[in-house]
Amino acid sequence: GENVEQHPSTLSVQEGDSAVIKCTYSDSASNYFPWYKQELGKRPQLIIDIRSNVGEKKDQRIAVTLNKTAKHFSLHITETQPEDSAVYFCAVISSGSARQLTFGSGTQLTVLP
Amino acid sequence: GAGVSQTPSNKVTEKGKYVELRCDPISGHTALYWYRQSLGQGPEFLIYFQGTGAADDSGLPNDRFFAVRPEGSVSTLKIQRTERGDSAVYLCASSLAGPPGNTIYFGEGSWLTVV
Repeated sequence: GENVEQHPSTLSVQEGDSAVIKCTYSDSASNYFPWYKQELGKRPQLIIDIRSNVGEKKDQRIAVTLNKTAKHFSLHITETQPEDSAVYFCAVISSGSARQLTFGSGTQLTVLP
Repeated sequence: GAGVSQTPSNKVTEKGKYVELRCDPISGHTALYWYRQSLGQGPEFLIYFQGTGAADDSGLPNDRFFAVRPEGSVSTLKIQRTERGDSAVYLCASSLAGPPGNTIYFGEGSWLTVV
């Protein structure tokens, strides 16, 4: 089945700096890559997603890049703010038989004021 | 409704008891998913419904777990003979159509504690 690895597990940055979180996946048939933000005790919320026919997508301070050859994708947050502090999960869906979200292990992002 | 609704939000039960968790998906969403999230980990897939049928139940850990969606809307996750290891947040999610590529929206979860 699909295997998703996420790094780093924790990340602290100063307010205003950039944060980058990386994920690798194993199934070359994977074709949908969402990122979720989860605050303590809250639901995972989709913040951005990318499909396999696109290499990069940006939405204000958030961007995702995808390298299908290397089977990795990254979340980039610029001009970080304290309210960006949360756990971020990458996820992958394969177009194969296992057509459900497989999540990474999460990254605890702390933005220091 | 405006979002995915789950009840109860919290449930404490004794080991060996039976538990039902309910999910009301976003109106019009045909796909419904159950995930389980343990502390410090990402959600793990349990089961996926397309309409009334379970399209993929490969994530259910054993036969103590069962889920239904009789009318293609509300779903109930049923856990028999609960064990302490079942303690987790049970997340329900829905999407307009099935995977891949359709945005999946999560509910707030049902926090289950087995004592």
